[in-house]
Amino acid sequence: DVKVTQSSRYLVKRTGEKVFLECVQDMDHENMFWYRQDPGLGLRLIYFSYDVKMKEKGDIPEGYSVSREKKERFSLILESASTNQTSMYLCASRAFEGASTDTQYFGPGTRLTVL
Amino acid sequence: AQSVTQLGSHVSVSEGALVLLRCNYSSSVPPYLFWYVQYPNQGLQLLLKYTTGATLVKGINGFEAEFKKSETSFHLTKPSAHMSDAAEYFCAVSVSNQAGTALIFGKGTTLSVSS
Repeated sequence: DVKVTQSSRYLVKRTGEKVFLECVQDMDHENMFWYRQDPGLGLRLIYFSYDVKMKEKGDIPEGYSVSREKKERFSLILESASTNQTSMYLCASRAFEGASTDTQYFGPGTRLTVL
Repeated sequence: AQSVTQLGSHVSVSEGALVLLRCNYSSSVPPYLFWYVQYPNQGLQLLLKYTTGATLVKGINGFEAEFKKSETSFHLTKPSAHMSDAAEYFCAVSVSNQAGTALIFGKGTTLSVSS
């Protein structure tokens, strides 16, 4: 089974702190994604990466950056946390070897609270 | 731009009743369509997907969905609801199948099942 793990299930930080959210996948997938999930808004894409050291902005990249130094690890960075970044953060990796295999696998999520 | 609309943020059914969760998409090219389920305090899990071929797609846990191009719809159904089906359901579209393309999610529908 594909496994996507996230470093923390729950995290509490203070305004202005630099926050690192880590995601690791064990299936050698090239594509990885960070989403945030908010009630009534569904999942919104923050950043994605289609290969090591490659990244693309999603729909809501402001206030975030990412790092992908190794294929299995994709980190989301909040440079200076703010209260409006309180949310559930979901990481995913994508299997793609043709249309029939196109699937994103999700981690359990990190619920971040910024005080 | 591609988009997904889920009609009804909350659907309530009785155990044993038909489940119908509605999803309409907007896309200028043939889409790949997905349904994901999220149980409380967990990440998202793929229920089923349509990429090419048969328009009626069967997924896990007795769910199925039918791709109707003329109606731009991909509604999710299950003949008989079970208490364990209570969860949040997300419809998603991925228009391009090239590396680097992410999913666009609807805002989600919460399914409640009463005994």
